[in-house]
Amino acid sequence: GENVEQHPSTLSVQEGDSAVIKCTYSDSASNYFPWYKQELGKGPQLIIDIRSNVGEKKDQRIAVTLNKTAKHFSLHITETQPEDSAVYFCAASWGNQFYFGTGTSLTVIP
Amino acid sequence: GAGVSQSPSNKVTEKGKDVELRCDPISGHTALYWYRQSLGQGLEFLIYFQGNSAPDKSGLPSDRFSAERTGGSVSTLTIQRTQQEDSAVYLCASSQTRYEQYFGPGTRLTVT
Repeated sequence: GENVEQHPSTLSVQEGDSAVIKCTYSDSASNYFPWYKQELGKGPQLIIDIRSNVGEKKDQRIAVTLNKTAKHFSLHITETQPEDSAVYFCAASWGNQFYFGTGTSLTVIP
Repeated sequence: GAGVSQSPSNKVTEKGKDVELRCDPISGHTALYWYRQSLGQGLEFLIYFQGNSAPDKSGLPSDRFSAERTGGSVSTLTIQRTQQEDSAVYLCASSQTRYEQYFGPGTRLTVT
C-alpha cells in the first residue's frame, strides 16, 4: 500500500519568515495531494491541494509543489503569522483511498 | 452552511463496553469517510461509503468495529467490547467529489 512520510515533525519559525513542510509518497498511482491544517480540538481543514497533472499551485501565502518523478511534494507558507500555528498534514490519494502523513506541528513565534 | 457534525464530542467508557459514534455529513455529500487519529499520529482510514455502493471496510482494524450509513446520510461507527487501544479521536469526513474532504470536529474516545 501507499506510504507517506512527512518532515519535519515540528517546526518553529519567526513571524514573517517562510515555512516549508515536505512529504514523500511511494505509490506512483497516487494522483491527488491535499494539505490539511488542524487546530487544537478541531478537525483537519483543507487548505490547498494539487493534482498530478500540475507541478505547482499557489493561493495567496500558501503554495504547493509536486515532483512526480521523485514522488515528493511540499507545502510552502510565506510571511508566516501567529495564526498559522497548527498541525499540518499532507496526504496522497488514488481512487477513494487517502494516506496521511504523521503531521508537522508548526509554531510561529511573534 | 452547516458543516460536518459529530456526536458526542467526548466519550469516556469502561473497557468491554460498546460505544456508538455519530456523524452527520454535509447535506448532499455522497461520500463519507471514518478515520482514527491516535495521539501524535496521522489519520488512519477506517471505512468509506459512497452513495448506495457497498462500503469499503478495508481499514477496519478488527471485527469489533462496524459502521453503517442510513439513507445515504447519517453514519454510525460502532465499537464493541472496547479496549484501551481504541482510545483515540474518531474523525468523520464527507465529500461531494472524490477529492475535497470536509472533516467534522471529531469524537474523543477514552477507554478506561
